[in-house]
Amino acid sequence: AQSVSQHNHHVILSEAASLELGCNYSYGGTVNLFWYVQYPGQHLQLLLKYFSGDPLVKGIKGFEAEFIKSKFSFNLRKPSVQWSDTAEYFCAVYQAGTALIFGKGTTLSVSS
Amino acid sequence: DTGVSQNPRHKITKRGQNVTFRCDPISEHNRLYWYRQTLGQGPEFLTYFQNEAQLEKSRLLSDRFSAERPKGSFSTLEIQRTEQGDSAMYLCASSERDRNIQYFGAGTRLSVL
Repeated sequence: AQSVSQHNHHVILSEAASLELGCNYSYGGTVNLFWYVQYPGQHLQLLLKYFSGDPLVKGIKGFEAEFIKSKFSFNLRKPSVQWSDTAEYFCAVYQAGTALIFGKGTTLSVSS
Repeated sequence: DTGVSQNPRHKITKRGQNVTFRCDPISEHNRLYWYRQTLGQGPEFLTYFQNEAQLEKSRLLSDRFSAERPKGSFSTLEIQRTEQGDSAMYLCASSERDRNIQYFGAGTRLSVL
């Protein structure tokens, strides 16, 4: 069965620091990849997605992610985080014929 | 607001009672999904509909759980004889048929006492 691993449970950064959150999935076939974000008290929102083509995808609020097929990875990055990026981040994989499979999430805390 | 709407936002019930949650998807979306999320975990898939047809159910969906989408619009999720282990956030999402982008509602938080 498909599984998604997020390596960091809780990340604490200062403003302006760079961010990289790891995500690995287990299925070797065609997948669609997503990062969702959940700000405190809000619902899950789509941050960015990869379906095909350029493996470097850009999302909202300066986030980007790189799909590396050989490593089954889809890591999220941001060059300079802001206090407002404090949230929980979920990596998810969609495999044809199933629903989204989510990782356990990474809590990002940014101090000003 | 034209997003996914879920009601109620919070539900507190006693063990053994039945509860029902409602989800109104984005109007042009014909796929509707239910997920469950517990503390420290990502959302876990429960079931999904394409129009009124329930196409897939997770093994997490025990016999006490039932979901319907009678007219292909809103959906209900019912839990019978609730147990404390059912306490969780129940999330609904919708998507267009040919696009795998799911939009989530705010969820219904269930507390079983």
